[in-house]
Amino acid sequence: SYELTQPLSVSVALGQTAGITCGGNNIGSKNVHWYQQKPGRAPVLVIYRDTNRPSGIPERFSGSNSGNTATLTISRAQAGDEADYYCQVWDSSVVFGGGTKLTVL
Amino acid sequence: QVQLQESGPGLVKPSETLSLTCTVSGGSISSYYWSWIRQPPGKGLEWIGYIHYSGSTNYNSSLKSRVTISVDTSKNQFSLKLNSVTAADTAVYYCASTRYSGYDFDYWGQGTLVTVSS
Repeated sequence: SYELTQPLSVSVALGQTAGITCGGNNIGSKNVHWYQQKPGRAPVLVIYRDTNRPSGIPERFSGSNSGNTATLTISRAQAGDEADYYCQVWDSSVVFGGGTKLTVL
Repeated sequence: QVQLQESGPGLVKPSETLSLTCTVSGGSISSYYWSWIRQPPGKGLEWIGYIHYSGSTNYNSSLKSRVTISVDTSKNQFSLKLNSVTAADTAVYYCASTRYSGYDFDYWGQGTLVTVSS
C-alpha cells in the first residue's frame, strides 16, 4: 500500500518561512492535499490539489509537488500557525501522512 | 456552506457495534462522496471509508471486514457501523465531505469521541 512520510516536527521562528515535506513514491503524479489541525479541533483543508488554497486560507500558505516530495510552505509564520499538519493523497484509497507538529518559536 | 454534525453513543462495550450518524445541512448530498475518518487519542488520521449518494461505497482495506457505511438521502444523513469493536477503536470519529475531483475533505464535522470500554 502507498505510504506518505512526514517529519514528526518542524520549528520556525516567528515571521520566518516554514516548509513541511511529505514524501511518497512518485508523489508528483498525484494530487496532494494538506490539512491543519489545532488541539481539540477538526482538521481544516489549507491546500488542495497541490497548490490551491480554499477560500479563507491566507496567501501565506502555499504548496508544491514534484518527484517524490510535496511541500507545504508557510510564509511569515505566526503563533496561530502552530498546529499539526497532515498531507493526504488518493491511491485507490485515501492515504494520510503521519502528521507534522509545527512549532513557532 | 456545508455543515456536518456527528451523533451517537460516546461509550461502546468491547465486541459490540459502534454506530454513528452524520447529518448534512447547507448542501446537496448528491454533490460529494461522504466519508468517515477517525483519530485515536494522540495519533494521526485514519480514513474509514466513503459512500456516494447512490449507495456505492469504498472502504479502508484494514477495516473493510467490520465496516458498513449507509446513506439516507431523505434525511440528508449517512451512517457508520463498526462491529466487534475493541479498545483500539477508541477514537474521535469525524464525518467529512469528499470531493469527486481530488478526494480531498473540504468540510468536516466537529468530531465525536467514542470510547470502547466495559
